[in-house]
Amino acid sequence: DVKVTQSSRYLVKRTGEKVFLECVQDMDHENMFWYRQDPGLGLRLIYFSYDVKMKEKGDIPEGYSVSREKKERFSLILESASTNQTSMYLCASSLSQGNEQFFGPGTRLTVL
Amino acid sequence: GQQLNQSPQSMFIQEGEDVSMNCTSSSIFNTWLWYKQDPGEGPVLLIALYKAGELTSNGRLTAQFGITRKDSFLNISASIPSDVGIYFCAGRRWTSGSRLTFGEGTQLTVNP
Repeated sequence: DVKVTQSSRYLVKRTGEKVFLECVQDMDHENMFWYRQDPGLGLRLIYFSYDVKMKEKGDIPEGYSVSREKKERFSLILESASTNQTSMYLCASSLSQGNEQFFGPGTRLTVL
Repeated sequence: GQQLNQSPQSMFIQEGEDVSMNCTSSSIFNTWLWYKQDPGEGPVLLIALYKAGELTSNGRLTAQFGITRKDSFLNISASIPSDVGIYFCAGRRWTSGSRLTFGEGTQLTVNP
C-alpha cells in the first residue's frame, strides 16, 4: 500500500513565524503535491514537483515555497505565516504517468 | 484552476437508502477519480475510471465514466453510518499532465 505521511497532524503558529510542513512517501513516486483545503473552496493546488529539485506553481502559490531535495520528501514552507494561511494542508503523491494521487492524513495549521 | 461542478453539495439520508452524486464539466477528461474523506483525515481513493462508458464497482460503490467524457457518477447502495464523510470527484485532462481538477465535494450524513 502507498503510504504518505505528514510530520504533524495539528500545528499552531504565530503570525510572522516561518513554518515547515513535511511530507514523506514510501512508494518511489516521482510526483508530489501540496494542497490546501478550505470550507466551500475544495482542494486548491499550491505547488507540485515532478522530480527532485523540480517544482511548479499551482493555483495559489503566493506566500508559500517548497523544497524537494530527496525523491521521497516534499516540504512546504510558509516564510512568514499569516492568519489567512490557517487551513488544512494535504500532501499527495503519484507515479510520473499515474492518474491516481494518494493523500496523506493532512496537517491542520492554525496561525494566531 | 477550474473546479468541477459536483452535486449535491450535501445529503442527509437514512441508513439503508441508496445515494447518487455526480460531477460535470464543460471540458473533456480522460480519467475520473472518486475519493472519500473522513473527518480530520486525508482523502482516500475509492474508484478510478479510465474509459468513456466504463462502469466500475467497489463493494457497495459503483461509479461511471460518462459517455461524453464530461461527467461522472457515483452511487452508494444500502448506506451505512460509516459512509458518512465528504466525497470528492477529480478529473485529469490530457493537457494537464499529472494535475487533477477537483469537485467541491458532497457532504454525506447517514442517520441510523
